[in-house]
Amino acid sequence: DAGVTQSPTHLIKTRGQQVTLRCSPKSGHDTVSWYQQALGQGPQFIFQYYEEEERQRGNFPDRFSGHQFPNYSSELNVNALLLGDSALYLCASTLNRVEAFFGQGTRLTVV
Amino acid sequence: AQSVAQPEDQVNVAEGNPLTVKCTYSVSGNPYLFWYVQYPNRGLQFLLKYITGDNLVKGSYGFEAEFNKSQTSFHLKKPSALVSDSALYFCAVRDGDNDMRFGAGTRLTVKP
Repeated sequence: DAGVTQSPTHLIKTRGQQVTLRCSPKSGHDTVSWYQQALGQGPQFIFQYYEEEERQRGNFPDRFSGHQFPNYSSELNVNALLLGDSALYLCASTLNRVEAFFGQGTRLTVV
Repeated sequence: AQSVAQPEDQVNVAEGNPLTVKCTYSVSGNPYLFWYVQYPNRGLQFLLKYITGDNLVKGSYGFEAEFNKSQTSFHLKKPSALVSDSALYFCAVRDGDNDMRFGAGTRLTVKP
């Protein structure tokens, strides 16, 4: 079992650009959540996908959007990048919404 | 609304001594409580959870946590700390259908 995998591991983008991050959930898991972890802070909930629909959303602007595919994998898209979007982006998957298993994260740097 | 507080940014203990990392929570219903550990440049690793049942929950790597409903706390404990336990620890709470909310984290340093 490969667990939760995220790609890419590191990414550098310029302000104003758009970025897509990808996540493959743990085998058998049907729910994917995305979190943003700024340096020195705890993870902040962005949104959750289940059955290819956004089920819950945290306090993030519409520049943050996502998608879930029929195989349960997911993408996080961020448009019009700001310097403040620099963070570690974590994907987590769950089954029956009990404990979440996290990927290694994608480190996004906006310059 | 659900929330978690980790009152200590940093906890320092000597190797072999017991450790406690504190967590308090606020939810409107029955809480699901979690502890995760994060090593540098890594994702979060699940340690243990409380859903229902015994107030003392045992988890990975010798860690345990005690659920106290009256004090709305879920402190993480280990009887004998190891240098390799040094890491960032996060408490999280989920209330019903809501997704998890995390505390700000506590950096544990275990000195030889």
